[in-house]
Amino acid sequence: DVQLVESGGTLVQPGGSLRLSCAVSGTSTFSVNGNYMSWVRQAPGKGLEWVSVLYSGDNANYAESVKGRFTISRDISKNSVYLEMNNLRVEDTAVYYCARVEGSFDLWGQGTMVTVSS
Amino acid sequence: QSVLTQPPSVSGAPGQRVTISCTGTSSNIGAGYGVHWYQQFPGGVPKLIISGSTNRPSGVPDRFSGSKSGTSASLAITGLQADDEADYYCQSHDSSLNAYVFGGGTKVIV
Repeated sequence: DVQLVESGGTLVQPGGSLRLSCAVSGTSTFSVNGNYMSWVRQAPGKGLEWVSVLYSGDNANYAESVKGRFTISRDISKNSVYLEMNNLRVEDTAVYYCARVEGSFDLWGQGTMVTVSS
Repeated sequence: QSVLTQPPSVSGAPGQRVTISCTGTSSNIGAGYGVHWYQQFPGGVPKLIISGSTNRPSGVPDRFSGSKSGTSASLAITGLQADDEADYYCQSHDSSLNAYVFGGGTKVIV
C-alpha cells in the first residue's frame, strides 16, 4: 500500500523557518508528479485547515493565512513534496498533514507537529 | 469562523440514525463542487468516508451515506455504533476564495 510519510516538524521560535517533507513510500506507481498534492494542518484542539496545494507543473495555491510565507514544491527524483515555511507565527502551531488530492483528500500521512513558541 | 457550517455535536443512542449538516454558499457547495466527508478519531488521522457528496470509498460501511441539495450537504450514520464516536468534517472547494474549505467539525456522541 502507498503511504505518505511526513517529517521535519519541530519546535521553532516566532519568525523562524522550517521545511516539512512528505515522502511517498510503499509503491513505485504513485508519483507526486502525476498527482495534486496538498498540505492540511490542524491546530491543537481545533479543526482542519487547508494550507496549500501543488497542481501539475509548478502551479500552486495557498490559503490567505500563509500566502507569501509558505512555499510548496516537489522533487520528482525523491518522489517527495515539501512545505517551506518562513516568518513563522505562534498561530502556525499545528499538526501538518500531507495529502493526495483526487477531488477529495483521499490519502493522508500521519502528520508532523510544528510548534512555534519562544 | 469556518466557511462551511457544521453543528458542534450530535448525539444518538446505539442503533439510531444521526445526521450531520454542512451548510455552505453559492460559491462552494451551491456552485456544484462536490462535498467530501472525513472521520477523525482522537489523536488520529482524518479518513475519507464520503467523496463527491454521495460516494463511499472501498471499505467504508454502508451505514454511512451522503447527500447534497442546493447549498447544503448531509452525512447520515444509520445503526449507530459506539465506535462511530469521532469528529466528522465536511470539505469542498470555494470559487470566490479559490481555496479548499472545511467545516468546523462535528463530534458524534454515542
